Amino acid sequence: GAVVSQHPSWVICKSGTSVKIECRSLDFQATTMFWYRQFPKQSLMLMATSNEGSKATYEQGVEKDKFLINHASLTLSTLTVTSAHPEDSSFYICSAQDRADYEQYFGPGTRLTVT
Amino acid sequence: DAKTTQPPSMDCAEGRAANLPCNHSTISGNEYVYWYRQIHSQGPQYIIHGLKNNETNEMASLIITEDRKSSTLILPHATLRDTAVYYCIVRVAYNTDKLIFGTGTRLQVFP
Repeated sequence: GAVVSQHPSWVICKSGTSVKIECRSLDFQATTMFWYRQFPKQSLMLMATSNEGSKATYEQGVEKDKFLINHASLTLSTLTVTSAHPEDSSFYICSAQDRADYEQYFGPGTRLTVT
Repeated sequence: DAKTTQPPSMDCAEGRAANLPCNHSTISGNEYVYWYRQIHSQGPQYIIHGLKNNETNEMASLIITEDRKSSTLILPHATLRDTAVYYCIVRVAYNTDKLIFGTGTRLQVFP
């Protein structure tokens, strides 16, 4: 149980285009989902907290207009990187919080490369 | 900022116990100690958590000092597949408290 999926697992896009990453909780309902970014050899950095049916809360320094988050259901949150640039290339990881026990479960990550 | 400090790296021989320390001297009374690990290019994996009593599961044991200012994660018989970055995190359980990751400990298990 407690499986979180991400799609796609990797994506390459051209500079200036937008990319959408999906995060799904497969066997539980998640009122809250979190989005992290990880650069090579660095730790995970929290970008935003996403609550179902409401606006996401962004961490300081994260541009909300660039990283659009939608959490329309209890099993799906999406992160859209708008007008991507090479510096947005990173490993994006989501976690979903099971509303039954508040434990967080992580997805496998999405590797984004912007050329 | 992360509320924990960990050594940046450790080595362990395969089959031996790996003891990973963590300092959390400012932990609050309602905060739990959580351990996750991240194998290269994967999402973090939950290992174990505890409040003040020692805990054990099929993956590891968690030893928390009496004053709760530090803890040790023990992998009793390390294998090559345990090579990963291990993160110690404190958080308030049973609520929507976010997880703040520190730099973690890179454990290298060698043959």
